[in-house]
Amino acid sequence: QKEVEQDPGPLSVPEGAIVSLNCTYSNSAFQYFMWYRQYSRKGPELLMYTYSSGNKEDGRFTAQVDKSSKYISLFIRDSQPSDSATYLCAMRPNDYKLSFGAGTTVTVRA
Amino acid sequence: DAGITQSPRHKVTETGTPVTLRCHQTENHRYMYWYRQDPGHGLRLIHYSYGVKDTDKGEVSDGYSVSRSKTEDFLLTLESATSSQTSVYFCAIRGEGEDTQYFGPGTRLTVL
Repeated sequence: QKEVEQDPGPLSVPEGAIVSLNCTYSNSAFQYFMWYRQYSRKGPELLMYTYSSGNKEDGRFTAQVDKSSKYISLFIRDSQPSDSATYLCAMRPNDYKLSFGAGTTVTVRA
Repeated sequence: DAGITQSPRHKVTETGTPVTLRCHQTENHRYMYWYRQDPGHGLRLIHYSYGVKDTDKGEVSDGYSVSRSKTEDFLLTLESATSSQTSVYFCAIRGEGEDTQYFGPGTRLTVL
């Protein structure tokens, strides 16, 4: 079983919809949680970063972490075609070795 | 963009040949990483470096070696390429005390 599970999708939504992405994990030592966005044929770039449980909002993006359920989420409000990308969750314990989910491919239709 | 370049960007090679991929950074960051990305597996760590001549294995290190003789360069070598090493390879860098890893543009490697 993988340490981090992420539904690969693909996910297709109309412009303006809310996109909901999530990951589950099995390692209770994970303390730091991230979401990376990866456009086609590009390297991943950090989108959101959260320490421990709680919510974090940045513009149209909200990241949630529920450590009791070992579940993290990313919500994209008012989605735009430019949000079409693959979204990868990543997490780590107190060392700096990241464990990544497989990525969810999102297409926002104009 | 973070100052990371990877070369070559694309390579096709034959089974059994050695291959070296290069990662070059202009940020003077201490930590450098090599990942491979495959469908259904996400990014998996191959090797990483925490300083010049200081390297360690990651999750999928078999068949790969690395070297770091200068802060700015981190080389990944496939000693004898196999078809299972067909993948997209990403280099990443991280500064001391920072959490963010910055990724390069990737190298698409095909082993026939």
